Amino acid sequence: GQQVMQIPQYQHVQEGEDFTTYCNSSTTLSNIQWYKQRPGGHPVFLIQLVKSGEVKKQKRLTFQFGEAKKNSSLHITATQTTDVGIYFCAGSTDSWGKLQFGAGTQVVVTP
Amino acid sequence: GAVVSQHPSRVICKSGTSVKIECRSLDFQATTMFWYRQFPKKSLMLMATSNEGSKATYEQGVEKDKFLINHASLTLSTLTVTSAHPEDSSFYICSARDRGGRRYNEQFFGPGTRLTVL
Repeated sequence: GQQVMQIPQYQHVQEGEDFTTYCNSSTTLSNIQWYKQRPGGHPVFLIQLVKSGEVKKQKRLTFQFGEAKKNSSLHITATQTTDVGIYFCAGSTDSWGKLQFGAGTQVVVTP
Repeated sequence: GAVVSQHPSRVICKSGTSVKIECRSLDFQATTMFWYRQFPKKSLMLMATSNEGSKATYEQGVEKDKFLINHASLTLSTLTVTSAHPEDSSFYICSARDRGGRRYNEQFFGPGTRLTVL
């Protein structure tokens, strides 16, 4: 079955530094979504990528979808303390929109 | 807009009892809802896909007789954990898709239910 792998599992970042989390699927995806879960909270949708090679930006966050639609990345520049949380990628292959979540990257920011 | 609620937020029950968790879409119609289970500091594990008016589709390894799902209306899905045991203790989260809205593929998550079985 479809598997979505995400690395790294943990990311300890100094405030102001950049970091990237990577997502790889064993199968070609119809779309990939990214969610953020703050401590004690529930996942909140960040973005969806649909097209091969697509790049989208949200302020300091840059999302990429690979050419083969099997991998994706999230790059955060100038990390702030508000960026703490777990970032999940989630891939979809069916019309119902069923998502296979990656393991998540837990981000800790040191002031 | 696109708010999903869950009730209860926390429940503690004795082993052997059944617990019902409700998931409601408050301001949109959700023809499809999803139920996830999340272990501490772990990812979300999809348990089942719930479609309004039809039987839920369970993921491999999820016992359908143990986790009963009912999607009786366009705004309500329920998950009943039957004969709960301590190993069922977990964080259960539902999500819903607004198939009639512009944010077509986005899943809106409820706040989750923390189940503790003693």
